[in-house]
Amino acid sequence: AQRVTQPEKLLSVFKGAPVELKCNYSYSGSPELFWYVQYSRQRLQLLLRHISRESIKGFTADLNKGETSFHLKKPFAQEEDSAMYYCALISGANSKLTFGKGITLSVRP
Amino acid sequence: DTGVSQDPRHKITKRGQNVTFRCDPISEHNRLYWYRQTLGQGPEFLTYFQNEAQLEKSRLLSDRFSAERPKGSFSTLEIQRTEQGDSAMYLCASSPLSGEQYFGPGTRLTVT
Repeated sequence: AQRVTQPEKLLSVFKGAPVELKCNYSYSGSPELFWYVQYSRQRLQLLLRHISRESIKGFTADLNKGETSFHLKKPFAQEEDSAMYYCALISGANSKLTFGKGITLSVRP
Repeated sequence: DTGVSQDPRHKITKRGQNVTFRCDPISEHNRLYWYRQTLGQGPEFLTYFQNEAQLEKSRLLSDRFSAERPKGSFSTLEIQRTEQGDSAMYLCASSPLSGEQYFGPGTRLTVT
């Protein structure tokens, strides 16, 4: 069965500091990995997906199949990055998402 | 298009009562998903529709839960004989056949 693990619940950093949000997964097939973000009082929205290899709002994530990881990184955090972040993977033809428990990122001024 | 909408946004009910939630997906999105999120957890998959056909149901979905998507447009999720353990945020998402899932704002259910 597929699983997504986000080992930390909270990461608190100062503005301008680097950020790394960890995500590990287990899946027997070839996974498709995502990061979703939920800002305060807003709905869950897609931040980035590994197949697009884009940088969104300065965030990047590289799929490491050897370590089964998909960590989210940003070199210089901004206060507006404060939010809840969820790592997720898609499995099967129906594209249902399996989410991790999420991590709260708090960026202090 | 204002995105995925859900109604009601909040529902408080007494144990044993039935509740029904509605989800209106983005128009022309073939796929519709229901997820449930409890405190401190990520969303968990409940069920999935492609057009009007319900193609998968999670083991989390007990016999008290039923979902429909008549005519392949809006969807309803009904919970019969609610229990306190049903208290959660119920999320709906829609997507085209291959593409990003867009989430609604959710319906927060509190069972007293």
